[in-house]
Amino acid sequence: DIVMTQSPDSLAVSLGERATINCKSSQSVLYSSNNKNYLAWYQQKPGQPPKLLIYWASTRESGVPDRFSGGGSGTDFTLTISSLQAEDVAVYYCHQYYSTPYTFGQGTKLEIK
Amino acid sequence: QVQLVESGGGVVQPGRSLRLSCAASGFTFSTYGMHWVRQAPGKGLEWVAVIWSDGSKTYYADSVKGRFTISRDNSKDTLYLQMNSLRAEDTAVYYCARTSVSGSSYFDCWGQGALVTVSS
Repeated sequence: DIVMTQSPDSLAVSLGERATINCKSSQSVLYSSNNKNYLAWYQQKPGQPPKLLIYWASTRESGVPDRFSGGGSGTDFTLTISSLQAEDVAVYYCHQYYSTPYTFGQGTKLEIK
Repeated sequence: QVQLVESGGGVVQPGRSLRLSCAASGFTFSTYGMHWVRQAPGKGLEWVAVIWSDGSKTYYADSVKGRFTISRDNSKDTLYLQMNSLRAEDTAVYYCARTSVSGSSYFDCWGQGALVTVSS
């Protein structure tokens, strides 16, 4: 199984500042035949289901604000919020869909400092 | 609009069975793979199972293999999860989720979830 490890577990950032969440996979999720990283990011607010933010490691889902961006390749990935807004308080999860069993990171709780 | 609505959750004793349903609307259900993902109280997300759009293939997490069965009825636009031999550690909110439009298994639409509590 591919183990996904996020860091940090929690993060407090001031409004308007940059937030960066890291995700590391135990093996590469880059598929060589199409050069795509099978890595997605989700945002989950309390009492709500997760919401897709980013797929293919760096493609923003339709309707997601452009302050959210994803990067990285192979085994190391980042989710960056360029200017934190109050509505971004949530838990963020990375997810590999390279192979079954599909697995998630443990989550990173993002709060306002 | 695209919508997934789970039902069938509740309180069940250890060792008993329960079946969850997920009613889909707003899209052509029969052309999408579908998943179940669960979340224990206060914990992270755990993928449970996937079924191909035509029902021809299924895959499971090791934690539920042999106890849970994912199925679908494309004539009713409905996904199911039959859960047998339930354990306390199966207590969770169960979400149904849609495979992306591209066909790759990231989840572009989620239901609101159904709470399953396994307790005596």
